[in-house]
Amino acid sequence: GAGVSQSPSNKVTEKGKDVELRCDPISGHTALYWYRQSLGQGLEFLIYFQGNSAPDKSGLPSDRFSAERTGGSVSTLTIQRTQQEDSAVYLCASRSAVGSGSTGELFFGEGSRLTVL
Amino acid sequence: ILNVEQSPQSLHVQEGDSTNFTCSFPSSNFYALHWYRWETAKSPEALFVMTLNGDEKKKGRISATLNTKEGYSYLYIKGSQPEDSATYLCASYNFNKFYFGSGTKLNVKP
Repeated sequence: GAGVSQSPSNKVTEKGKDVELRCDPISGHTALYWYRQSLGQGLEFLIYFQGNSAPDKSGLPSDRFSAERTGGSVSTLTIQRTQQEDSAVYLCASRSAVGSGSTGELFFGEGSRLTVL
Repeated sequence: ILNVEQSPQSLHVQEGDSTNFTCSFPSSNFYALHWYRWETAKSPEALFVMTLNGDEKKKGRISATLNTKEGYSYLYIKGSQPEDSATYLCASYNFNKFYFGSGTKLNVKP
């Protein structure tokens, strides 16, 4: 499809398990963001990829969280040893940063809802 | 981290009512203000991107204004319809990052 695709849409896991969330951005978009929304909270920035530059990981809440983006396209967010506070909707967004500066809008996926029991 | 605040947190209106809500953001080092609409079970979609002080943008019954000197933006919906029910998010763009408010959840009753 032409939009941002995320999988799985829903994931229920037990505390202590590892999970992987996948994001397939819009083709040609060089910028990719991960956000999460916990219950009752706003969108929390996690990590940002721009082309081949080193990612901005400043939003990752702990070293249990990591993300990679292979070939400048698909991204995977990995959460190790999940905790109940990791339960949230994880949103991926991409953006065509070339020439758009601050005005290029984000295109979001539908999110992956993670529930840690 | 930029502190972006939205109010009210939630809003219940009747079909046909006009409504508005607020986004506040730091006015220093301002680059752009984005508004998004997030309907349940869908992905957030961009409504407006605003950069200049005094900007006014309109899309159908929805409009937005921007005051970068005092650090706020208003979103207006004229004649609300049930299909306007959604969470409205604003985000301040700064140094490649988007700082989101917690959103205003709008419920329009038929």
